[in-house]
Amino acid sequence: ETGVTQSPTHLIKTRGQQVTLRCSSQSGHNTVSWYQQALGQGPQFIFQYYREEENGRGNFPPRFSGLQFPNYSSELNVNALELDDSALYLCASSLTRGGTNTGELFFGEGSRLTVL
Amino acid sequence: AQKVTQAQTEISVVEKEDVTLDCVYETRDTTYYLFWYKQPPSGELVFLIRRNSFDEQNEISGRYSWNFQKSTSSFNFTITASQVVDSAVYFCALILGYNFNKFYFGSGTKLNVKP
Repeated sequence: ETGVTQSPTHLIKTRGQQVTLRCSSQSGHNTVSWYQQALGQGPQFIFQYYREEENGRGNFPPRFSGLQFPNYSSELNVNALELDDSALYLCASSLTRGGTNTGELFFGEGSRLTVL
Repeated sequence: AQKVTQAQTEISVVEKEDVTLDCVYETRDTTYYLFWYKQPPSGELVFLIRRNSFDEQNEISGRYSWNFQKSTSSFNFTITASQVVDSAVYFCALILGYNFNKFYFGSGTKLNVKP
């Protein structure tokens, strides 16, 4: 059973640029959620994807967008990067059955984004 | 408003001491899940326990135990006979939504277990 993998592990961008982060879900999972974790803080929910559609979103602006692919992997895209976007971005996979998420999240190790 | 509060920012104990990490949550929903996750220095959050809002039975798993009390909106986590390997940041989380698609994490409690 493969776990959740994220890429890249580290990256540096400059303000105004765009970034794409990638996540492969754990085998058997069909739902992916993304989180932003600033240093010393708890993860903040960005959004969740199920059946290739966004089905839940936290308090993040539209420049944070995502995709889910038929193999359940996912991308997080952030446009017009700001300095405050510097954080660890975590991806978690889970299982949705009968339209309801089981709630048990399996996390990757994250992608650390630095915006200069 | 939904909110998870972990008032203890950092706790230091000596190995073999018992330690309790507090979690208080706030929601108007009647159906929800509560979780605890451990985040070691590597960064990957590790699932510890899930409890749904209708199950107030306390749970013990080895040295770990959890006390869920709806009356006080608390879901506290106790580590008995702590070990150095328990050193990590621990997060309490609340999951809501029609399909459990809204996730709220507390700010975490950093546990330092000294030998």
